[in-house]
Amino acid sequence: QVQLQESGPGLVKPSQTLSLTCTVSGGSMTIGGQYWTWIRQHPGEGLEWIGNIYYSGSTDYNPSLKSRVTISVDTSKNQFSLKLSSVTAADTAVYYCARVGFTPTARGWFDPWGQGTLVTVSS
Amino acid sequence: DIQMTQSPSTLSASVGDRVTITCRASQSISTWLAWYQQKPGKAPNLLIYKASSLESGVPSRFSGSGSGTEFTLTISSLQPDDFATYYCQQYNSYPYTFGQGTKLEIK
Repeated sequence: QVQLQESGPGLVKPSQTLSLTCTVSGGSMTIGGQYWTWIRQHPGEGLEWIGNIYYSGSTDYNPSLKSRVTISVDTSKNQFSLKLSSVTAADTAVYYCARVGFTPTARGWFDPWGQGTLVTVSS
Repeated sequence: DIQMTQSPSTLSASVGDRVTITCRASQSISTWLAWYQQKPGKAPNLLIYKASSLESGVPSRFSGSGSGTEFTLTISSLQPDDFATYYCQQYNSYPYTFGQGTKLEIK
C-alpha cells in the first residue's frame, strides 16, 4: 500500500524559502493518473489546503498562498516537493503531504497522509 | 471560498453513546464531502468520502449523511479509541476547505 514521508528542514529563517519533499513508496506516482497534495496545520489549529499536483506536473494552488507557493514533481524519484517563499512566523505549521483520493467520477479527498513534519519559522 | 462550519466545537460523551457531528457549507457542495479523524500528534485519517461512502477498514459504527449544505457524521456506539478531533472537508471546488474541527471528549 502507498505510504508517504515528508522530509526537509525543521527550522527556516524569516524571509527565506521553506522547502519540503514528499517521498512516495509502495507504488508509482503515475499509476491511475493520481494527484498529490500538500496541507498544513498551524499549531493547535485547523487544516489548510496548500495545493495539488498531477503526476504530469500541472498544479492547482490555494489563492491565499499562490503568490508564494511552488509544487513540483519528480516521477523518476517518486517524489513531489513544496516550496514556500518569503516565510514569516505565520507559516510555522505541521506540513503534510497526501494522495488525493479519486474514483472514476470524482476526486478530492485525502488518503493516505504522511506523518507530517513541523516547520518552525524563526531567526 | 466555501466556508465549512462544524458544530459543536467540543462534544463530551461516554463510551457507548451515539453521537452526531454537523458540518454546514456556505454554499451547495452536492455530496463532495469527506470526514477525517485526527488524534494528537498524528496525521488525519480518512473516515468517509462522498458524504456517505465508508473508507475501507473504517469501522461500521461510523456513518455519514447529507447533501447540499448540511452533513452529519454519526458514531453509533462510541468506543474508547474514538475520542479524537473530527474534521469535515469539501472538495466541490478550489480551494478545498476544512471545518474548524470538533473535539470529542470523554465525559
